[in-house]
Amino acid sequence: DTAVSQTPKYLVTQMGNDKSIKCEQNLGHDTMYWYKQDSKKFLKIMFSYNNKELIINETVPNRFSPKSPDKAHLNLHINSLELGDSAVYFCASSGDRAAGNTIYFGEGSWLTVV
Amino acid sequence: DQQVKQNSPSLSVQEGRISILNCDYTNSMFDYFLWYKKYPAEGPTFLISISSIKDKNEDGRFTVFLNKSAKHLSLHIVPSQPGDSAVYFCAASAYGGSQGNLIFGKGTKLSVKP
Repeated sequence: DTAVSQTPKYLVTQMGNDKSIKCEQNLGHDTMYWYKQDSKKFLKIMFSYNNKELIINETVPNRFSPKSPDKAHLNLHINSLELGDSAVYFCASSGDRAAGNTIYFGEGSWLTVV
Repeated sequence: DQQVKQNSPSLSVQEGRISILNCDYTNSMFDYFLWYKKYPAEGPTFLISISSIKDKNEDGRFTVFLNKSAKHLSLHIVPSQPGDSAVYFCAASAYGGSQGNLIFGKGTKLSVKP
């Protein structure tokens, strides 16, 4: 029973398309995240939501829009896809924001833009 | 500007021996550090963490050492097993990890040979 699950795992799409990656966590966590691992293998935070409220928004093009219908879900919508968007996107979640919380990651979604 | 650096992209160790993975950081605000393990086509999995109030944390075969003055931490795995072969990411956070914005290193690929 996967704790943080994201779909699809692999996605190949053409430039200019709009796509979504869905994420769900069954850990009862309050905070969810999207991280991106680029071609240079850097893993960087994109967004963080706490109880459906945006709390971290790093420098990400506004073509990327997270949507959190409830605290167990954080979906990532990407409009007008570009070649440089090709990366692995990881959804993650963590418990209450007390010190020392641990972030749990999903398996990743491999996005290839052609 | 890499705030968390893992200068060894790869490490090869014989089964049964000790594996030592190193990590350096530059931001003196970091006070919570984690190690994640990642297999191919999977998400990072939390391994062990340490708060800056400690200099050592141990969990089974895994021990993390923190040297705050040198801004250096290391992960020791002993004895190393072939199943430990994976990419290991060092991550750091400020505010005790409460904000969830982890800064990751680029990872070190560990190969444990039978």
